[in-house]
Amino acid sequence: SQELEQSPQSLIVQEGKNLTINCTSSKTLYGLYWYKQKYGEGLIFLMMLQKGGEEKSHEKITAKLDEKKQQSSLHITASQPSHAGIYLCGAGNYGGSQGNLIFGKGTKLSVKP
Amino acid sequence: DGGITQSPKYLFRKEGQNVTLSCEQNLNHDAMYWYRQDPGQGLRLIYYSQIVNDFQKGDIAEGYSVSREKKESFPLTVTSAQKNPTAFYLCASSMSPSESYEQYFGPGTRLTVT
Repeated sequence: SQELEQSPQSLIVQEGKNLTINCTSSKTLYGLYWYKQKYGEGLIFLMMLQKGGEEKSHEKITAKLDEKKQQSSLHITASQPSHAGIYLCGAGNYGGSQGNLIFGKGTKLSVKP
Repeated sequence: DGGITQSPKYLFRKEGQNVTLSCEQNLNHDAMYWYRQDPGQGLRLIYYSQIVNDFQKGDIAEGYSVSREKKESFPLTVTSAQKNPTAFYLCASSMSPSESYEQYFGPGTRLTVT
């Protein structure tokens, strides 16, 4: 079965620093999603990538999907305390039409002011 | 505003009791999903429904049941057969049952069973 591995598991950065979170799949990715979660709350959709080599940006967050569609990275530029939270990557589980997603275990980001 | 609501936010039950978690969406989405999240773990799929009056088991369906009588509603019942029910439960919906459409999540219900 497909698995998503996120690294690092946790990250503490100084405000203003850049950071990168990675998500690696054991199989080809059919739709890769990035979500952000505050502790004890629901997930907020950030971005979706589908094509190999695709890159999307929203404000100071950029996500990329590699050409082979087995790894994605999430890059935050000039981090702020508002970026703190848990970042989860999710991917289509069967590559079919069910829409079921599997998720990585998350990366916990703390930003020190 | 359109969105997904889950209630209650916190729920406490005694062991051996069934409990039903509510999930409602007004996004006119066809597909709805229930996930369970445990500390330090990703989300695991419990049940999903692609259309009204139809639903399928996910990866960890044992001890849970669902219904989908209306497009807007997808309640989850945690039965006494679920061996470890204490967890954070998240409901989601998407326009269509395809990974081409992002899933929108509710705020979650934290269930504690003692």
